[in-house]
Amino acid sequence: DQQVKQNSPSLSVQEGRISILNCDYTNSMFDYFLWYKKYPAEGPTFLISISSIKDKNEDGRFTVFLNKSAKHLSLHIVPSQPGDSAVYFCAASAMYYGQNFVFGPGTRLSVLP
Amino acid sequence: KAGVTQTPRYLIKTRGQQVTLSCSPISGHRSVSWYQQTPGQGLQFLFEYFSETQRNKGNFPGRFSGRQFSNSRSEMNVSTLELGDSALYLCASSPSGQGTDTQYFGPGTRLTVL
Repeated sequence: DQQVKQNSPSLSVQEGRISILNCDYTNSMFDYFLWYKKYPAEGPTFLISISSIKDKNEDGRFTVFLNKSAKHLSLHIVPSQPGDSAVYFCAASAMYYGQNFVFGPGTRLSVLP
Repeated sequence: KAGVTQTPRYLIKTRGQQVTLSCSPISGHRSVSWYQQTPGQGLQFLFEYFSETQRNKGNFPGRFSGRQFSNSRSEMNVSTLELGDSALYLCASSPSGQGTDTQYFGPGTRLTVL
């Protein structure tokens, strides 16, 4: 049973508009969450993280929102750019257990010019 | 600083063989983690090494093993390969392996088992 779910395998957005990628988790022990971006033939690249003591974290065009009661987080990209086209992975961990991250299956984002 | 490097980048093996993959972390990083990526499954955690000791382990059979050397370089071994082992194997390093450390990934080794 997947502990981290990304129910949308793919998403297409027009350039300049907002991209919203969603992630749900089931394990209430998770208290640290990350988003990674992956281009073909490259390893994932860290984008942004959030700990469970916050409900929002921003870094430039990227904002992550965490709703602990719903066990849901989302990544907002505003404005979306063609270079953002990639696979986005959500990951979660229980900080006490160190680097044992659980990743979702990924969402492929296509930003159309 | 040089990034995480993995060798080889591509590998083709047949069922029953064994394989060893190598990972060189970013200089100064002491934690190395390994992941398996298959279509539709995302990245699945294999194990983490810190200071030559396995600190965390995912739910993979004992055919998957690893080790870390004193210079933090790590190897992963898969014995008695099965078709289902075909995947992209990713290595990631972090400075101290704390729960909030950012992991930096290598480009991966693409293993195909025939």
